[in-house]
Amino acid sequence: SSELTQDPAVSVALGQTVKITCQGDSLRSDYATWYQQKSGQAPVVVMYGKNNRPSGIPGRFSGSSSGNTASLTITGAQAEDEADYYCNSRDSTSNQWVFGGGTKLFVL
Amino acid sequence: QVQLLQSGAEVKKPGASVKLSCKESGYSFTSNWMHWVRQAPGQGLEWMGIINPTGDSRKYAGKFEGRVIMTRDTSTKTVYMELSSLSSEDTAVYYCARDNSHLDAAMITYWWFDPWGQGTQVTVSS
Repeated sequence: SSELTQDPAVSVALGQTVKITCQGDSLRSDYATWYQQKSGQAPVVVMYGKNNRPSGIPGRFSGSSSGNTASLTITGAQAEDEADYYCNSRDSTSNQWVFGGGTKLFVL
Repeated sequence: QVQLLQSGAEVKKPGASVKLSCKESGYSFTSNWMHWVRQAPGQGLEWMGIINPTGDSRKYAGKFEGRVIMTRDTSTKTVYMELSSLSSEDTAVYYCARDNSHLDAAMITYWWFDPWGQGTQVTVSS
């Protein structure tokens, strides 16, 4: 089955820009969806499709994709953005969904 | 606004089975496919499977084939997930999440899970 690879941890200074990446073969043909999970809470979708933000998600979140890599960019990171971020996509071959291992974002 | 309310925490012994529920509340035009996702302590999210709106079609992650059964009661808008032959490795928080999909102008379908239930803690211990 397809796998998605994320960096385990990334840090960013308050107010700076950070890019969280996700690599996988399924991303060559499908978009990644991004979820934010804060400690003790259920995940929340922050980006889906080509670059779609659900209502309530700040405009500082954006998404992009190139080849087998999808990226979630936070422009002007805030303290409340400190969380775990997971990418997710569907493997069209097996018709199963897969999550990346998650990236822990530290806002310094 | 649709909300998913999951059943309460469970403690099971190794070898036992557990059946969790996920009830949809709030107004929705259509019933959607529903996913189950779990998260072991300190670990990432793991997709378990999906069930269709009428409950007669399912797809399970290979890892859980033969051990998981997902069912649905459309009259009560409740989805169930039963996991058998439990071991300590099944200790996790289990989430249900509603499937959403859209076909864009480039004829690419994309999916997102929203909303998620609050999660059910399952502890497997002798």
